[in-house]
Amino acid sequence: DTGVSQDPRHKITKRGQNVTFRCDPISEHNRLYWYRQTLGQGPEFLTYFQNEAQLEKSRLLSDRFSAERPKGSFSTLEIQRTEQGDSAMYLCASSSEVYYGYTFGSGTRLTVV
Amino acid sequence: EDQVTQSPEALRLQEGESSSLNCSYTVSGLRGLFWYRQDPGKGPEFLFTLYSAGEEKEKERLKATLTKKESFLHITAPKPEDSATYLCAVQDPLPYGGSQGNLIFGKGTKLSVKP
Repeated sequence: DTGVSQDPRHKITKRGQNVTFRCDPISEHNRLYWYRQTLGQGPEFLTYFQNEAQLEKSRLLSDRFSAERPKGSFSTLEIQRTEQGDSAMYLCASSSEVYYGYTFGSGTRLTVV
Repeated sequence: EDQVTQSPEALRLQEGESSSLNCSYTVSGLRGLFWYRQDPGKGPEFLFTLYSAGEEKEKERLKATLTKKESFLHITAPKPEDSATYLCAVQDPLPYGGSQGNLIFGKGTKLSVKP
């Protein structure tokens, strides 16, 4: 068990470009979450998958954001037409039961220039 | 609207100087309160889950307690390696009383422990 892996760790992109992040959860975890964290703030919920089904999306997730979890394994988060306000740390987490807490990955830090 | 407020925003302690961090919450039907530790440039690391008022959990120098309105994270005789941001979160309940497990986080308390 290597924990939750996120790739890439850092991404610098020009405004207007599309970016895609990948998350590999702990293999036996059926729940997968995406959060966004900006400097000095706590993580904010973006979206949640149970197996391959996307069960909830935050109001923060505009039409430019899309997430998938094919076959209930890894997940991708795509941001289209990036804006400077999208600059943040994007965190992925997985869990089996909420009671045991999430296991977070180390995040992907996105900088939009 | 549900809210999680942590205080203080920052706390500086000398090694061995015990203290407490506070997390107050307003959520209808608490379904779980969580404490995480976050080191710079890393994702949060799970510490504790508390469900009922009066519940306590301990791990090394950390002890978390829960009342109906707030939770405390007590740090006894801290060491420099305890320096981190400590995040509190509550589980976001669904309107019908269920839960997907999404968490609402506070802004955190940044703890610095000087040797």
